[in-house]
Amino acid sequence: KAGVTQTPRYLIKTRGQQVTLSCSPISGHRSVSWYQQTPGQGLQFLFEYFSETQRNKGNFPGRFSGRQFSNSRSEMNVSTLELGDSALYLCASSARGRHYEQYFGPGTRLTVT
Amino acid sequence: ELKVEQNPLFLSMQEGKNYTIYCNYSTTSDRLYWYRQDPGKSLESLFVLLSNGAVKQEGRLMASLDTKARLSTLHITAAVHDLSATYFCAVDIRGGSNYQLIWGAGTKLIIKP
Repeated sequence: KAGVTQTPRYLIKTRGQQVTLSCSPISGHRSVSWYQQTPGQGLQFLFEYFSETQRNKGNFPGRFSGRQFSNSRSEMNVSTLELGDSALYLCASSARGRHYEQYFGPGTRLTVT
Repeated sequence: ELKVEQNPLFLSMQEGKNYTIYCNYSTTSDRLYWYRQDPGKSLESLFVLLSNGAVKQEGRLMASLDTKARLSTLHITAAVHDLSATYFCAVDIRGGSNYQLIWGAGTKLIIKP
């Protein structure tokens, strides 16, 4: 089985811009979760989508949003980028949802200048 | 406040030795996860612990969960260099109908030959 893929792998954006990151889960997995990893804050949960519905969410501002398509692929959008949004964004897929037995993608490294 | 504390945060040890990483969490949870992250790589799921007294073992790693003490341990037996990595615990915390995955800060483990 192919693993979780994320595109792009690296991205440089300017403060105030918006960005969209993409995640393709393992075939058959209906749950996709997104995480932010930074040296200062560590790993933080953003949200989980299951069968196109946002099921769970962390404590991030509304600038962070996501969606999931009928083929389970997911996108994450960050609007009005801030310097503090520079991070590694990881997505993970799961067959059963609710963070159970997650398989992580390689991540997208976002740098905001 | 939802907190997951790992200790130690850094551990340098010799091959062949045993050691334990601790993960304390601040509120009730029915799921605890252990993950491994190699430098520059993504996360790999190690263990899922679902109930009080749960013990899981894989090779030289053994994880246990005490939900009453809100404590999980990851025990390393006869460490080998290949186990060098950062280990994270994560706890599934319920707030109403919303589940967040709260992560520990990670334990960076260096095993010297």
